[in-house]
Amino acid sequence: EVVLTQSPGTLSLSPGERATLSCRASQIVTSSFLAWYQQKPGQAPRLLIYGATRRAAGVPDRFSGSGSGADFTLTISRLEPEDFAVYYCQHYSSSPGFTFGPGTKVDIK
Amino acid sequence: QVQLQESGPGLVQPSQTLSLTCTVSGGSITSGSYYWSWIRQPAGKGLEWIGRIYASGSTSYNPSLKSRVTISMDRSQNQFSLSLTSVTAADMATYYCARVKGVVRGVISSDLAFDIWGHGTRVTVSS
Repeated sequence: EVVLTQSPGTLSLSPGERATLSCRASQIVTSSFLAWYQQKPGQAPRLLIYGATRRAAGVPDRFSGSGSGADFTLTISRLEPEDFAVYYCQHYSSSPGFTFGPGTKVDIK
Repeated sequence: QVQLQESGPGLVQPSQTLSLTCTVSGGSITSGSYYWSWIRQPAGKGLEWIGRIYASGSTSYNPSLKSRVTISMDRSQNQFSLSLTSVTAADMATYYCARVKGVVRGVISSDLAFDIWGHGTRVTVSS
């Protein structure tokens, strides 16, 4: 079973700064099955990145995904006030199916 | 555009069955290009996938919940439903329905992800 670990748990940054979020899998995984989501308080998660690097429709280009193998990164090039949220990575495998990482909270410094 | 809306009781008694429905508008659940899924999130915690269903009625469940979960669909109503038996306090959560993209004629292709989500419905387990 693939276990996803996200780091850091919390990232304290100021608007305009660059955010780098890590998602590490317990084994090499298929990049096309790796996605990132943003969740704000009281809201459902929103798909940001799929296939490890592809931006979902309507997602600003300050969000980018990279990585392969077992190490993946979500980068926010310049934080906007609306970007402060929790970010989850997610992977699919035949068993146990879909799994999520524990999340990284990006909060205002 | 496609929208999903969860509905069902917000309060379930311990040991009883939790039943929720997701109504899909703006698209058909019989499309061969998507799975339809349930995901839950306890307050202040992370996301847990529960299971998914395809247009044919085929299902797949999280092994940790498989013995208690059934997902079904009503094509005439364009809805799919979740049934979770023998609930306990550990099942208290916000339950989301979501669409899974990256499926071709029922087979997982590539770029798999939950691309559309419902707003979620909070379920409390209490007597």
